[in-house]
Amino acid sequence: AQSVTQPDIHITVSEGASLELRCNYSYGATPYLFWYVQSPGQGLQLLLKYFSGDTLVQGIKGFEAEFKRSQSSFNLRKPSVHWSDAAEYFCAVGPRSNDYKLSFGAGTTVTVRA
Amino acid sequence: EAGVTQFPSHSVIEKGQTVTLRCDPISGHDNLYWYRRVMGKEIKFLLHFVKESKQDESGMPNNRFLAERTGGTYSTLKVQPAELEDSGVYFCASSQEDSWVSPLHFGNGTRLTVT
Repeated sequence: AQSVTQPDIHITVSEGASLELRCNYSYGATPYLFWYVQSPGQGLQLLLKYFSGDTLVQGIKGFEAEFKRSQSSFNLRKPSVHWSDAAEYFCAVGPRSNDYKLSFGAGTTVTVRA
Repeated sequence: EAGVTQFPSHSVIEKGQTVTLRCDPISGHDNLYWYRRVMGKEIKFLLHFVKESKQDESGMPNNRFLAERTGGTYSTLKVQPAELEDSGVYFCASSQEDSWVSPLHFGNGTRLTVT
């Protein structure tokens, strides 16, 4: 069965510290990979995506993610967190086909402490 | 440009009542999607419109849910009658093309509470 796993429900990080959010997927073939963020009162915003090529992907707001085929992972990182990064983060996958349905992980809530 | 707009932002109804959620996509976006997140769980796909046609409605949970997109502009999602398990956040998204390359723009969601 296809699934997306975000093992960490909640992460607390100090402002200025690094952040890594984990995402693992189980899929028949390597899917397209996405990270979205939902800030309080806002909709989902695309941070970055991986289709092919360089396995280290740069996104908006200083985020990056690394695709590791051998581990079926697509972890999100940020070297130095800002208070405005407090939000819920969702990993999502989409099939390499004309089936435009995203499958999401359960989300990771990030709290930033001063 | 205006983003994807959803109305209402919150709705509280009693079990057995009817609720209609509305989504206004970005102008010119032919593709419109509905997703929902039941409390504490994953965001799940409900259905996909291309213009006024339902391209994929495989995620609709049961026949109490009816989605329409008359004229290929805004869309409505009606829940009738609502049940407790329908509580959650309903997201709408739109994209210009039927392609993974075309960015998907999400609305802020409608939080539905069924009591």
